[in-house]
Amino acid sequence: DAKTTQPNSMESNEEEPVHLPCNHSTISGTDYIHWYRQLPSQGPEYVIHGLTSNVNNRMASLAIAEDRKSSTLILHRATLRDAAVYYCILRDVGGATNKLIFGTGTLLAVQP
Amino acid sequence: EAGVAQSPRYKIIEKRQSVAFWCNPISGHATLYWYQQILGQGPKLLIQFQNNGVVDDSQLPKDRFSAERLKGVDSTLKIQPAKLEDSAVYLCASSLDRGYTDTQYFGPGTRLTVL
Repeated sequence: DAKTTQPNSMESNEEEPVHLPCNHSTISGTDYIHWYRQLPSQGPEYVIHGLTSNVNNRMASLAIAEDRKSSTLILHRATLRDAAVYYCILRDVGGATNKLIFGTGTLLAVQP
Repeated sequence: EAGVAQSPRYKIIEKRQSVAFWCNPISGHATLYWYQQILGQGPKLLIQFQNNGVVDDSQLPKDRFSAERLKGVDSTLKIQPAKLEDSAVYLCASSLDRGYTDTQYFGPGTRLTVL
């Protein structure tokens, strides 16, 4: 399975935008880019996913580089509730299972 | 819509004892997963069920861990005997099917401490 590289931690101020980067230089053409986040003392929750085009939903936006070797999760206005560990995960459409392979993610701290 | 339910939320046992965790997935979800999350790490898949059958158990330590999914709904994960390194949060997740864009929904987890 292709691997991703994320910064260990980032800080943001409340109500400001946050850009969380992810590098995946060995991504294959059939890999989808998924983001999950894990709030303190909770299980992970789905945030967003994409293949080639930028994606928006009510939680966040996903910007994918043209060569797909990197992507950025964008939280448009960070709130205290967004403090969590954010995981960038590649999922192979041709894979035999649907499993998520988590790295260590980025710990996002949001300051009031 | 009710989420994934897990019990107990916390469990403390001594090494060499046995322990069992229970998971009730979201109604109608065919696929069920058990993950192990050690402190400071991301979750790691232990076993994946599709209805009653096992799809992937390659990371399950089968000498001490076992899991079953009853009638394609609830599932239990058992550890017997427990070791100190089994201290972790055990997460259950479920999804509608095995599609590559399929969203997994996680429960709150069971925190196991082995003394």
